[in-house]
Amino acid sequence: EAGVAQSPRYKIIEKRQSVAFWCNPISGHATLYWYQQILGQGPKLLIQFQNNGVVDDSQLPKDRFSAERLKGVDSTLKIQPAKLEDSAVYLCASSSGPVIDYGYTFGSGTRLTVV
Amino acid sequence: AQRVTQPEKLLSVFKGAPVELKCNYSYSGSPELFWYVQYSRQRLQLLLRHISRESIKGFTADLNKGETSFHLKKPFAQEEDSAMYYCALQGAGGGNKLTFGTGTQLKVEL
Repeated sequence: EAGVAQSPRYKIIEKRQSVAFWCNPISGHATLYWYQQILGQGPKLLIQFQNNGVVDDSQLPKDRFSAERLKGVDSTLKIQPAKLEDSAVYLCASSSGPVIDYGYTFGSGTRLTVV
Repeated sequence: AQRVTQPEKLLSVFKGAPVELKCNYSYSGSPELFWYVQYSRQRLQLLLRHISRESIKGFTADLNKGETSFHLKKPFAQEEDSAMYYCALQGAGGGNKLTFGTGTQLKVEL
């Protein structure tokens, strides 16, 4: 099966600019996650979708971050305006069922550098 | 609140030596625990789950509720084991959310 696709792979922007990341999960995976991984830290959940509904966005900085999953398939994560501390790898993952049974399948991530 | 602690940022061992990657967790209920691995230039991927009690690539992990630990072990390290290892926890009723530790870089030297 095809994996989780993410684009772009790398992005460099100036602070206060906006940026968007795209994720295409594995076909049929109802649950989609966006994680933020800052250098030297483990991945931290930003938002979880079940189909096109939000399950958990408690750690999403909603003043600058937004995400959507229209039609329950692809998803986009946007940052506007970006800050220096947003420099990180943004990981998308999907799962077909309970994580205890299926785990996550991760994409290769988008590395964002804010200068 | 749930937390995962991996005290070692880097663990360096010689090929053939035993490996133990430490993971401690903080959670008030009964957690589900996982180990994820990221090889150089590859994606983060699931290595093993405590519930399955499986051995993957020679690695095992035992959940010790008394010590709130889930250490990853392998009796004889191989060069191809060099990677970044993350311990992760899912709390009961956590809606599939995983909380990750900060990771341990394992380097197996010849």
